[in-house]
Amino acid sequence: GENVEQHPSTLSVQEGDSAVIKCTYSDSASNYFPWYKQELGKRPQLIIDIRSNVGEKKDQRIAVTLNKTAKHFSLHITETQPEDSAVYFCAATRNTGGFKTIFGAGTRLFVKA
Amino acid sequence: EPEVTQTPSHQVTQMGQEVILRCVPISNHLYFYWYRQILGQKVEFLVSFYNNEISEKSEIFDDQFSVERPDGSNFTLKIRSTKLEDSAMYFCASSGWGSSSTDTQYFGPGTRLTVL
Repeated sequence: GENVEQHPSTLSVQEGDSAVIKCTYSDSASNYFPWYKQELGKRPQLIIDIRSNVGEKKDQRIAVTLNKTAKHFSLHITETQPEDSAVYFCAATRNTGGFKTIFGAGTRLFVKA
Repeated sequence: EPEVTQTPSHQVTQMGQEVILRCVPISNHLYFYWYRQILGQKVEFLVSFYNNEISEKSEIFDDQFSVERPDGSNFTLKIRSTKLEDSAMYFCASSGWGSSSTDTQYFGPGTRLTVL
């Protein structure tokens, strides 16, 4: 079945450093790739997304890259701040022949002040 | 800004009982979803719903689960006979219309279901 692998499961960085989270998906029909930030006890919040016809997208300190051939996509956070500490989930969505979103297992990011 | 809302925020039930979780999607959205998240684990897709019918469902969404849009605003998830392993946070989400808006899903705050 469809699967999304996410690495690492835990990431600890110093404030100001960059953080990179990587995902691989299996369903070649996936065409939309959102990233969510989830704080403890809260709902997932969309932080950035990328569609399959785009290779890279940036929004201030956050960027996402997509390699459709390799089925890889990555989240890059620069100049990390303590408030970036949370669990980050990647996801792959297919919206043809039915709507289905598969999430990765999550990365717990710790940003040390 | 419009938001997805869910009720109740916490539901406690006995094993074998039926529960109905309620969601009010964003008003002009056309696509509706249910997810569950067992404590400390990933978000798992249950079902998507469009044009008054199920669009896609996962292996988790077996005969014990059903969804309904009983009126123009509510979207419900029913679990017929709850099991201990149904204990989780259940999130509703909705997405809009238009070529790019159908993708972006907005999540509700979740209902924590505890099965005793």
